[in-house]
Amino acid sequence: QQQVKQSPQSLIVQKGGIPIINCAYENTAFDYFPWYQQFPGKGPALLIAIRPDVSEKKEGRFTISFNKSAKQFSLHIMDSQPGDSATYFCAASMAGFQKLVFGTGTRLLVSP
Amino acid sequence: NAGVTQTPKFQVLKTGQSMTLQCAQDMNHNSMYWYRQDPGMGLRLIYYSASEGTTDKGEVPNGYNVSRLNKREFSLRLESAAPSQTSVYFCASSEVRDTQYFGPGTRLTVL
Repeated sequence: QQQVKQSPQSLIVQKGGIPIINCAYENTAFDYFPWYQQFPGKGPALLIAIRPDVSEKKEGRFTISFNKSAKQFSLHIMDSQPGDSATYFCAASMAGFQKLVFGTGTRLLVSP
Repeated sequence: NAGVTQTPKFQVLKTGQSMTLQCAQDMNHNSMYWYRQDPGMGLRLIYYSASEGTTDKGEVPNGYNVSRLNKREFSLRLESAAPSQTSVYFCASSEVRDTQYFGPGTRLTVL
């Protein structure tokens, strides 16, 4: 119940495409869903996050869509660029706990 | 601000050797974490410290010990390294659960 399942494991898109990364969870107590971006040789960094009281959140070219009934959330990258090539992790946490549960990651390659 | 710093950046150990990974943060955060990252496994929590003086096990604590030396520093110790502990280790800190700040990582190889 503590798991967050992430797919796909890897993804290749052309520049300008819209990669979509999906995550699913079981624990309905989760109430905070961040996405982290990790470039090679670096630590992960917070990219964007959503709480279940909204169905969508946009920050620049990055959008999170959230489906509470399906217990799923996804990351969309509009007009993707080669500089977006990185590993993306979804995560979840619940109130009262400082811990994050991470998905297994998606390696994205945006070709020029 | 340096953020979260980790030493060393790289380390090679032989099976059975011990070592300590150091982590420090200058953001005055209460919570600190140790993760390991393995291909296809994502980030797995080893230990965390919600506040100075407290530590708790995460998902994969076996073979590791931690010390929260003070509010700034949180170290991870491998008492008898095994090849299964070959991984990239990340330290992170946070004030609230909303954002964890990660260090640059330590790449450890155990032969």
